Amino acid sequence: EAGVTQFPSHSVIEKGQTVTLRCDPISGHDNLYWYRRVMGKEIKFLLHFVKESKQDESGMPNNRFLAERTGGTYSTLKVQPAELEDSGVYFCASSRAEGGYTEAFFGQGTRLTVV
Amino acid sequence: SQQGEEDPQALSIQEGENATMNCSYKTSINNLQWYRQNSGRGLVHLILIRSNEREKHSGRLRVTLDTSKKSSSLLITASRAADTASYFCAAEGYNTDKLIFGTGTRLQVFP
Repeated sequence: EAGVTQFPSHSVIEKGQTVTLRCDPISGHDNLYWYRRVMGKEIKFLLHFVKESKQDESGMPNNRFLAERTGGTYSTLKVQPAELEDSGVYFCASSRAEGGYTEAFFGQGTRLTVV
Repeated sequence: SQQGEEDPQALSIQEGENATMNCSYKTSINNLQWYRQNSGRGLVHLILIRSNEREKHSGRLRVTLDTSKKSSSLLITASRAADTASYFCAAEGYNTDKLIFGTGTRLQVFP
C-alpha cells in the first residue's frame, strides 16, 4: 500500500510568487489534513477535509492560502502571494473515516522556502 | 494558544541509556499520541494513549499520561543510534480530529 505522498519535496520561491503544494492521500482515506511547521516551532493544524468538503479550516492563517480537494482524492494547497513567514515544512496526513480513533498517516512533507 | 510544550528541547545520550521526554498540553483530550520524525522524513506514529489510560507499553517505548496535570511522558529504554530523531506529542481533543502538537524534543543518541 502506497503511503501519503507530497509534491514537491522542496520548493524555493521568491516573495510574491505563487506556489502549489500537492498531497496524494492513501487510497480509500476520506480524511485529509494539512499541517505546517514554521521555523522549528510546533506543528500546527491548517485544515481538515472529509472527502471533498472542508470539515475544519480554523487553522488557515489568512486568505493567501487556498486548499482544494476536488473529487475527494488528492489535495492542493496554494499560497498566493507567498510571504517570507510562509517558509516552513508543510505536512499532509490522511486517515480512514471510521468512528473513534483511526491512525493518521503523514507524508514526508514539503519544505517551502520563501526568499 | 492551544499548542503543547515539550521538554527538554534537545537531549543527547549514549547508546544503551534511557531517554525520557515530557509533554504538557492545555486542552481536555480524547487521546494523546507520540510521533517521531527522522531528518527530512515524514512523521511516524509511535503510540497512542487514551484519556482513561495511565500507562502504555510498546516494545522499548513506555508512555504515561496524567490528565490531572495535563502531562505525558515518553520513555525510550535501551536507546539505539537509530532512535536519533525529533519526537512530538500530539493531543486530540473531543469532537475533533485535529491534532495539537508539542514543540518537539530533538534526541541524539551517540553510538
